[in-house]
Amino acid sequence: QKEVEQNSGPLSVPEGAIASLNCTYSDRGSQSFFWYRQYSGKSPELIMFIYSNGDKEDGRFTAQLNKASQYVSLLIRDSQPSDSATYLCAAGTGTASKLTFGTGTRLQVTL
Amino acid sequence: DVKVTQSSRYLVKRTGEKVFLECVQDMDHENMFWYRQDPGLGLRLIYFSYDVKMKEKGDIPEGYSVSREKKERFSLILESASTNQTSMYLCASSFSDSQYFGPGTRLTVT
Repeated sequence: QKEVEQNSGPLSVPEGAIASLNCTYSDRGSQSFFWYRQYSGKSPELIMFIYSNGDKEDGRFTAQLNKASQYVSLLIRDSQPSDSATYLCAAGTGTASKLTFGTGTRLQVTL
Repeated sequence: DVKVTQSSRYLVKRTGEKVFLECVQDMDHENMFWYRQDPGLGLRLIYFSYDVKMKEKGDIPEGYSVSREKKERFSLILESASTNQTSMYLCASSFSDSQYFGPGTRLTVT
């Protein structure tokens, strides 16, 4: 059974701080990794993807991948109240674009 | 921008009814997916399609069927709706591994 694990949270961080969201995956054949943001009552929105070990930065977001440890993380710098949402981690094996999703981490950014 | 639309945002049906959920994408994507999302269970794949008239079962296909007659349209069918199919249904499409979701249909079966 392929699994993607996330701490459900809530993860609470003050405005302006760095939020660190973590994810582990069980399938060593996973080749692509995605972070989705989902606001309450809305559908998931793709915010980052990463394929190679190391860091990938996009604005305030940095995705980190460590395939040896089967670990993916998302850092959000200068967290804003509008970042409060559930963040879903997903892993793909490249087979027909199927993804395995984690159950998500709820992030709360407090004023 | 990728646009994935779903036919209804909210739907209420009675037990035993046949239910059709429609999904349309405008980016000529090969792959389309149907998920359901329930609290604590996350996103679960029901069916997916990688080409017109092609379909494959996902993790929870029981009680559902799908149809893909045209590349841009992927339909999910509940043959005889039951209360345990009350859920948020999400359609997605992808060209590479990046999946883009529609707004979702919240289905209530009474």
